[in-house]
Amino acid sequence: DSGVTQTPKHLITATGQRVTLRCSPRSGDLSVYWYQQSLDQGLQFLIQYYNGEERAKGNILERFSAQQFPDLHSELNLSSLELGDSALYFCASSAARVDTQYFGPGTRLTVL
Amino acid sequence: GENVEQHPSTLSVQEGDSAVIKCTYSDSASNYFPWYKQELGKRPQLIIDIRSNVGEKKDQRIAVTLNKTAKHFSLHITETQPEDSAVYFCAASIWGGSYIPTFGRGTSLIVHP
Repeated sequence: DSGVTQTPKHLITATGQRVTLRCSPRSGDLSVYWYQQSLDQGLQFLIQYYNGEERAKGNILERFSAQQFPDLHSELNLSSLELGDSALYFCASSAARVDTQYFGPGTRLTVL
Repeated sequence: GENVEQHPSTLSVQEGDSAVIKCTYSDSASNYFPWYKQELGKRPQLIIDIRSNVGEKKDQRIAVTLNKTAKHFSLHITETQPEDSAVYFCAASIWGGSYIPTFGRGTSLIVHP
């Protein structure tokens, strides 16, 4: 157990819908990272937040957004869902200015 | 941006054999190289990492080597066991206020008993 939690574990929804994925980092970690893992794209970095502020952006679609709250938990919002958004979404956390990231168990999103 | 190539995509070995997975990266500024193990349906777990000021690092049956000049790094697993069967990902990161890794496509390691 990495100490990073994610909810829900599974999510099944329809095209055009909007969903919210939640992540709680390890106690004391200020950085949260979001990743998407799919068979065709592999493991791709989406976005990073540090202590409530966006720090880095990767291959994140405009339909996707994220935020980090004062209690340091983070949410990833996915809207206007398409079939191709079906994937495993992981969050990871790290301590300040430390390179090691710890991954959560992931949320499996299925868009029908 | 950074590009990481990982080979082979599948590696099948007999229990007790050694396994080697190789990665190359494109950006010479990359300075942190973690390796992750991911079992089916589970989260990636960091198994070993190396920084650019070190050429080799070992942890029990696992070792990683880094050749900065050639821009490649490798994972070596000795005395493989069936529980080593998983997908292994390499990554290359550049420090830009934090480390954002670019991952390889993964190697599926199968260890036959």
